[in-house]
Amino acid sequence: KAGVTQTPRYLIKTRGQQVTLSCSPISGHRSVSWYQQTPGQGLQFLFEYFSETQRNKGNFPGRFSGRQFSNSRSEMNVSTLELGDSALYLCASSSSTVTYGYTFGSGTRLTVV
Amino acid sequence: QQPVQSPQAVILREGEDAVINCSSSKALYSVHWYRQKHGEAPVFLMILLKGGEQKGHEKISASFNEKKQQSSLYLTASQLSYSGTYFCGTESASRLTFGEGTQLTVNP
Repeated sequence: KAGVTQTPRYLIKTRGQQVTLSCSPISGHRSVSWYQQTPGQGLQFLFEYFSETQRNKGNFPGRFSGRQFSNSRSEMNVSTLELGDSALYLCASSSSTVTYGYTFGSGTRLTVV
Repeated sequence: QQPVQSPQAVILREGEDAVINCSSSKALYSVHWYRQKHGEAPVFLMILLKGGEQKGHEKISASFNEKKQQSSLYLTASQLSYSGTYFCGTESASRLTFGEGTQLTVNP
């Protein structure tokens, strides 16, 4: 079956702009989680969506937001980009119970200049 | 609260064994283990559930001590393909929190 698909793979944005990243989970998976990965901070949890509802949110400023659609696809948006937002953004999908682990997408590499 | 992993890095020769530890200050329902190779996404290895059930990789084993809130990943007879960064993740309220990772290098 198809894996988790994230688009775009690479993105270069200017400070102050906004960006939208997309994640299509594995078919049948209803939970989508987003993570920010940087060399110094590791994998930092952004938020988790299940059946279009945000169930949990990490410690990120309000500039980071997300949503999930009825087909379980998810988007995350970052407004007023800062240089420090440069990172690899990963999404992970899981079934309703997580007992089989998360499947990660290849990520979107965002560079803010 | 982020789980704590040790060691931060380990270098092995092919065929040697390694143990990676993960501890948490919070009560754990489950512990996940993932491996990430450079430039790639993390890949699920194993999940250990409260009560002793394990699901995951055939060649890698792990333990979960619920009372001590600790988990250990055992890599035996390491292969070159085992190189990468290993993350443990602790689950709470629909949120998987990862440790900082252990960088494992297996040399010929």
